[in-house]
Amino acid sequence: AQKITQTQPGMFVQEKEAVTLDCTYDTSDQSYGLFWYKQPSSGEMIFLIYQGSYDEQNATEGRYSLNFQKARKSANLVISASQLGDSAMYFCAMRESFTGGGNKLTFGTGTQLKVEL
Amino acid sequence: EAQVTQNPRYLITVTGKKLTVTCSQNMNHEYMSWYRQDPGLGLRQIYYSMNVEVTDKGDVPEGYKVSRKEKRNFPLILESPSPNQTSLYFCASSVDYQLGTQYFGPGTRLTVL
Repeated sequence: AQKITQTQPGMFVQEKEAVTLDCTYDTSDQSYGLFWYKQPSSGEMIFLIYQGSYDEQNATEGRYSLNFQKARKSANLVISASQLGDSAMYFCAMRESFTGGGNKLTFGTGTQLKVEL
Repeated sequence: EAQVTQNPRYLITVTGKKLTVTCSQNMNHEYMSWYRQDPGLGLRQIYYSMNVEVTDKGDVPEGYKVSRKEKRNFPLILESPSPNQTSLYFCASSVDYQLGTQYFGPGTRLTVL
């Protein structure tokens, strides 16, 4: 079963509008972390925002906010006031812990966002 | 400047010819990891290392080896590359295993003919 599900392969949004990118996750861990990364066409991976499973407040970083709904196991990324430079692939990822003490990140398949004039 | 570097950035090789992709970070990070990115599959973890001489398998370790002899370096070794290892590879590091902020290298695009 998919651990991280991003159901929107592609999204379009008009400049200055807000957009929500969906992410649902599956884990039996009590302690986990959720991340969003941006990958522009140049290929680098850029960290955007992080939410810990015990954090009660939704994380915010500038125009990015993470809408964390623990009971629904969703961690949607909200980008406010979209800009042309926001056009990129966006990945949701989850940190899980191993019994042996290690951690790993599992990524979703990504959502390609295109911001239009 | 804090960064993760990878070399080479682009590589075309032939089946069976051993290769190494180097990864180095200058942030004194304990945790390092290798991922491969394939269209429609997102990023999948190959191997990770929690510290010097401590490495473990990720989701797709078959056909790969790693070593962590120094804290700053985490090379990825393909002993006998095959065409299904054609992919975009990322090295990443974070200050600890909590992975609060993981810094990614620029990526290595590998083609195995």
